[in-house]
Amino acid sequence: AQSVSQHNHHVILSEAASLELGCNYSYGGTVNLFWYVQYPGQHLQLLLKYFSGDPLVKGIKGFEAEFIKSKFSFNLRKPSVQWSDTAEYFCAVSPGNNAGNMLTFGGGTRLMVKP
Amino acid sequence: DAGVIQSPRHEVTEMGQEVTLRCKPISGHDYLFWYRQTMMRGLELLIYFNNNVPIDDSGMPEDRFSAKMPNASFSTLKIQPSEPRDSAVYFCASSLIRQLYTGELFFGEGSRLTVL
Repeated sequence: AQSVSQHNHHVILSEAASLELGCNYSYGGTVNLFWYVQYPGQHLQLLLKYFSGDPLVKGIKGFEAEFIKSKFSFNLRKPSVQWSDTAEYFCAVSPGNNAGNMLTFGGGTRLMVKP
Repeated sequence: DAGVIQSPRHEVTEMGQEVTLRCKPISGHDYLFWYRQTMMRGLELLIYFNNNVPIDDSGMPEDRFSAKMPNASFSTLKIQPSEPRDSAVYFCASSLIRQLYTGELFFGEGSRLTVL
């Protein structure tokens, strides 16, 4: 079975700072990788996803993530955060042949951006 | 366009009481998932349905938990009897098979359960 680790549970940044949230997974085969975001008072929504091809994936709102197969990582990055990026971020993985119905989530990282 | 609707948003109950959480998926979606979020274990998949039929309930923690989907527009997650360690946020999500292949689930806003 796959598992996902997000080592930072809480991150506090000032506006304009750069962001990198770590995500490591364990699974022996091909994987699909996702980042979901939950803004305060809202539901989880898909931020970006990787299935194959270019390991650098660009998502909405200036976010990007890089799949490094040798490190089993899929870190989320943003060059300059805004106050509106305050949210909880979840990394998720699924087996390569089974995208959605076997999603395994990490524990989440709560990001607070100070204005 | 209505999203996934969950109720109640917050529930506080005493140990031993029965708890019923409800979910209305997005109309037309044929997959429905129940997740539980805790600080210790993150987001765990409890059970999922396809066309109202439970497909995988291996994540259901124990017999005190049960889930049903009597029709395409309604599902319940029941805990009886409830215990303090059941305190968590319970999320319902739905999806279409086409969206499932892209990994996109549509989540409700969650039901926060506190068992005293």
